[in-house]
Amino acid sequence: DAKTTQPTSMDCAEGRAANLPCNHSTISGNEYVYWYRQIHSQGPQYIIHGLKNNETNEMASLIITEDRKSSTLILPHATLRDTAVYYCIVRVAWSGGGADGLTFGKGTHLIIQP
Amino acid sequence: DTAVSQTPKYLVTQMGNDKSIKCEQNLGHDTMYWYKQDSKKFLKIMFSYNNKELIINETVPNRFSPKSPDKAHLNLHINSLELGDSAVYFCASSGVGDYTFGSGTRLTVV
Repeated sequence: DAKTTQPTSMDCAEGRAANLPCNHSTISGNEYVYWYRQIHSQGPQYIIHGLKNNETNEMASLIITEDRKSSTLILPHATLRDTAVYYCIVRVAWSGGGADGLTFGKGTHLIIQP
Repeated sequence: DTAVSQTPKYLVTQMGNDKSIKCEQNLGHDTMYWYKQDSKKFLKIMFSYNNKELIINETVPNRFSPKSPDKAHLNLHINSLELGDSAVYFCASSGVGDYTFGSGTRLTVV
């Protein structure tokens, strides 16, 4: 799996959009970009994933650059409960399960300020 | 209903003891995993099982022995516990879709 680079920490004001960047310059053509987050003392939680098109769901939006070397996770209206460590992971296309685990980096510690 | 459940949530034990952590998933997933998160917060995979068969066994001391009685359960047994085994252990499962993690078991060895 390709390596990712994320800022160690970020602050965002409550109610504002939180934009979390991720660099993955060595991503392969069949690798997806996944985002997970881990709220203190909980297990990692899936947020969103994409291949090359921008994606949106009820939690967030994912913007992937045209060259796919970087992406941004957007939490449109951050709340205090969004304070967590956010992990950007690139991995091969989902193949009906497989048994290869997720490789977590250090992630970005996002702190939402009241 | 909890999708991936682990028990116990907290476990405090003395060095040298043997302990087990249980994990069950009700998602119908074929693959289950154990991850370890140490004090520096790094999440690392330890084992993965697919349909009860061991697939991944990372560099983990052989004091750690996973057991999968069926594809809905993956238990972790640890022999001769050491101080360095103190960590949070997460169980996870995956199927067609994504990974789902349990809420973790905080193991403290004293």
